[in-house]
Amino acid sequence: AQKITQTQPGMFVQEKEAVTLDCTYDTSDPSYGLFWYKQPSSGEMIFLIYQGSYDQQNATEGRYSLNFQKARKSANLVISASQLGDSAMYFCAMREVNSGYSTLTFGKGTMLLVSP
Amino acid sequence: ETGVTQSPTHLIKTRGQQVTLRCSSQSGHNTVSWYQQALGQGPQFIFQYYREEENGRGNFPPRFSGLQFPNYSSELNVNALELDDSALYLCASSPRTPGETGELFFGEGSRLTVL
Repeated sequence: AQKITQTQPGMFVQEKEAVTLDCTYDTSDPSYGLFWYKQPSSGEMIFLIYQGSYDQQNATEGRYSLNFQKARKSANLVISASQLGDSAMYFCAMREVNSGYSTLTFGKGTMLLVSP
Repeated sequence: ETGVTQSPTHLIKTRGQQVTLRCSSQSGHNTVSWYQQALGQGPQFIFQYYREEENGRGNFPPRFSGLQFPNYSSELNVNALELDDSALYLCASSPRTPGETGELFFGEGSRLTVL
């Protein structure tokens, strides 16, 4: 079974509108971390936002917020007031600890295109 | 700027050759991981190093090997290259210990093409 599922291969949004990128995860560990990364065409993975499994509040970082619903195992990214520079691939990832080391498991990504 | 730099940015090799990719991370980042990202996919974990020792490995064969040095630099070596090794190779570092969750800082990657 996939650990991270991103069901939207591509999303389109107009500039200044809000957009939600979906992510569901699967784990039996009580302690884990959820991340969203942005990957422009240059290839670098740019950290956007982090949510720990024990965090009570939804994480926010500027225009980015993470809608964390633990019971549903979902961690959707909300981008408010989209900008043209937001066009990129977006990856949801989960960090788990296995036998003393941690790994990031990524979803397949969602390509976001922001139009003027 | 994540403070993680990788070299080379692009390279082309032929099947059967060997390649070494390099990564330099921030001072104090004792944990470094390498990921392989095939075209159209999310990155996949190759292995992780902590204080110059491999302490975790994903589903990759032994011809993928690595080194970590005391000066916060590291290498990924791939022997006997295959066509399927063509991918973007990402280095990620962290100031945390391997057992902690927390942000990973990625470099821009090395794009390897195997012909």
